Amino acid sequence: LAKTTQPISMDSYEGQEVNITCSHNNIATNDYITWYQQFPSQGPRFIIQGYKTKVTNEVASLFIPADRKSSTLSLPRVSLSDTAVYYCLVGDEFGGYQKVTFGTGTKLQVIP
Amino acid sequence: NAGVTQTPKFQVLKTGQSMTLQCAQDMNHNSMYWYRQDPGMGLRLIYYSASEGTTDKGEVPNGYNVSRLNKREFSLRLESAAPSQTSVYFCASSEGKGSQPQHFGDGTRLSIL
Repeated sequence: LAKTTQPISMDSYEGQEVNITCSHNNIATNDYITWYQQFPSQGPRFIIQGYKTKVTNEVASLFIPADRKSSTLSLPRVSLSDTAVYYCLVGDEFGGYQKVTFGTGTKLQVIP
Repeated sequence: NAGVTQTPKFQVLKTGQSMTLQCAQDMNHNSMYWYRQDPGMGLRLIYYSASEGTTDKGEVPNGYNVSRLNKREFSLRLESAAPSQTSVYFCASSEGKGSQPQHFGDGTRLSIL
């Protein structure tokens, strides 16, 4: 079971770029890396997913080095509305659901 | 497009009472999930259903039962509620299994006295 390690919390000022790194040393060949965002009193929301190198969408970028033992979620120019908990997950689309587990996530606080 | 709908949003039970949490999705997804989230914690998988007609245990299944009524609906039942089951319960769905992105409902906040 590929587990992940993330910082418990981070603070950032509005307008700054935020990078949240996730460690997944035991990632398997078929595993994908997925990030979710959760606001208080809401369910998690899918942000981005990748397998290797770099993935970018309208919300964020995901950087994955060649060894895939870590990944970095990059949020450009954060605003107060980006204050949330961010979860990094590692899972195998061909494997069982038990491989996809949510850790405690990283609580991002954006400061005015 | 409602996505994933959970009912009720809030519920208070007494110890020993039973209750069924309802979940429905309108995205024609094959897979559905039930999670619980305790204060300050991540989500823990209770049960999942890979496809209509199948269900399997997740990380914390004790004290719960599930029914995949049809492709749209997946219910979670507490037969005899205990204070330790006080939590926020989230239902989710995805096209497939494993790493496929999951779509979540807004949760049911359950308190057991």
